[in-house]
Amino acid sequence: GAGVSQSPRYKVAKRGQDVALRCDPISGHVSLFWYQQALGQGPEFLTYFQNEAQLDKSGLPSDRFFAERPEGSVSTLKIQRTQQEDSAVYLCASSFRGLAGGPGTDTQYFGPGTRLTVL
Amino acid sequence: AQSVTQLGSHVSVSEGALVLLRCNYSSSVPPYLFWYVQYPNQGLQLLLKYTSAATLVKGINGFEAEFKKSETSFHLTKPSAHMSDAAEYFCAVSLSGGYNKLIFGAGTRLAVHP
Repeated sequence: GAGVSQSPRYKVAKRGQDVALRCDPISGHVSLFWYQQALGQGPEFLTYFQNEAQLDKSGLPSDRFFAERPEGSVSTLKIQRTQQEDSAVYLCASSFRGLAGGPGTDTQYFGPGTRLTVL
Repeated sequence: AQSVTQLGSHVSVSEGALVLLRCNYSSSVPPYLFWYVQYPNQGLQLLLKYTSAATLVKGINGFEAEFKKSETSFHLTKPSAHMSDAAEYFCAVSLSGGYNKLIFGAGTRLAVHP
């Protein structure tokens, strides 16, 4: 596709429900990132994949959050037993390599996000 | 630890006026610095990035930013604001090496009035 796509764009969940958020990165991009953006704040890093390997999950707020990218392309962020504090926009980004260094520092391309509202 | 501070959560300018959005960073190692723009209900779009080449970086839509190590700053400027520049702007930092995890500031909302 032309860019990163995310679905659904909007999700309303009752407290305690499980949700699954999908990210389709740009074809061929090795790296995939998930960020959480609370209202009025900047995005905060959640987790990073290089192909199918989850190399960093240090930003996941609790063990209710789980992400996977089993075939190294599409990724799913799952939140179990949602709480009101999980309400946020969840952004996915992909980059060709994801490496930082010199002029080749990769650009991260962001999807439009999924706005999750937990009632 | 790295961090980013954006001074001013809201900035308002007249159309045609200078735009100045401030960003200061904290990093124990040479950083890479980015400015992203976010329009309502859209994802973030890269405006420009500093990756240790030229300290004055030119980006899209007439924006530019200057890396000043002595001031630990990376302010974003545009000589003449356009109505279409109204959006949220985020400054971000990442570590050299590694996989380019971004640390974002809280953002500055730019309003442009006629």
